[in-house]
Amino acid sequence: GQNIDQPTEMTATEGAIVQINCTYQTSGFNGLFWYQQHAGEAPTFLSYNVLDGLEEKGRFSSFLSRSKGYSYLLLKELQMKDSASYLCAVRDSNYQLIWGAGTKLIIKP
Amino acid sequence: IAGITQAPTSQILAAGRRMTLRCTQDMRHNAMYWYRQDLGLGLRLIHYSNTAGTTGKGEVPDGYSVSRANTDDFPLTLASAVPSQTSVYFCASSDTGQGSSPLHFGNGTRLTVT
Repeated sequence: GQNIDQPTEMTATEGAIVQINCTYQTSGFNGLFWYQQHAGEAPTFLSYNVLDGLEEKGRFSSFLSRSKGYSYLLLKELQMKDSASYLCAVRDSNYQLIWGAGTKLIIKP
Repeated sequence: IAGITQAPTSQILAAGRRMTLRCTQDMRHNAMYWYRQDLGLGLRLIHYSNTAGTTGKGEVPDGYSVSRANTDDFPLTLASAVPSQTSVYFCASSDTGQGSSPLHFGNGTRLTVT
């Protein structure tokens, strides 16, 4: 079966750096997405990786290793507004998105 | 402002009743999706449409039906609601549904079936 694993919850301090990991086992691979979802709101697109390596976008970076079935989202200079759930999703061989359950990130002052 | 509009925002529905959740997008995206989101679970795909006039079943299609008569609208119908269909429902669209084309989500419909 297809599976995506993420930690359920993480806590970090304002101003610090946090890394949210995602491992996946899917039938085929056509890209990996990270989304941010604030409580009670819709998910919003953060990043996309299809080749191995690091993609940087401001304070957020996303890394992919296809051989290891592994990705991480790196958030720098954490702000209180970064408190949210972060969803990892993989596009499989049929171009359907398989979603992880999400990681709830709690930022403390 | 371009985007996806879902209605209603929330609804309490008696079991056995029929309900249609509405979804409209103005981005001229080809692909549209309906997901449900339950606590502790990832987004689960109910039905999808790769282009107007076509639909497909997702991971959890039972008890739901969809239609895609045109590019903009993708309504989701619960024929006879059951309590297990209590959830938050998100409609989403994507330009192509492939490659780097991300999904854009509506604000969701919170449905409670009693």
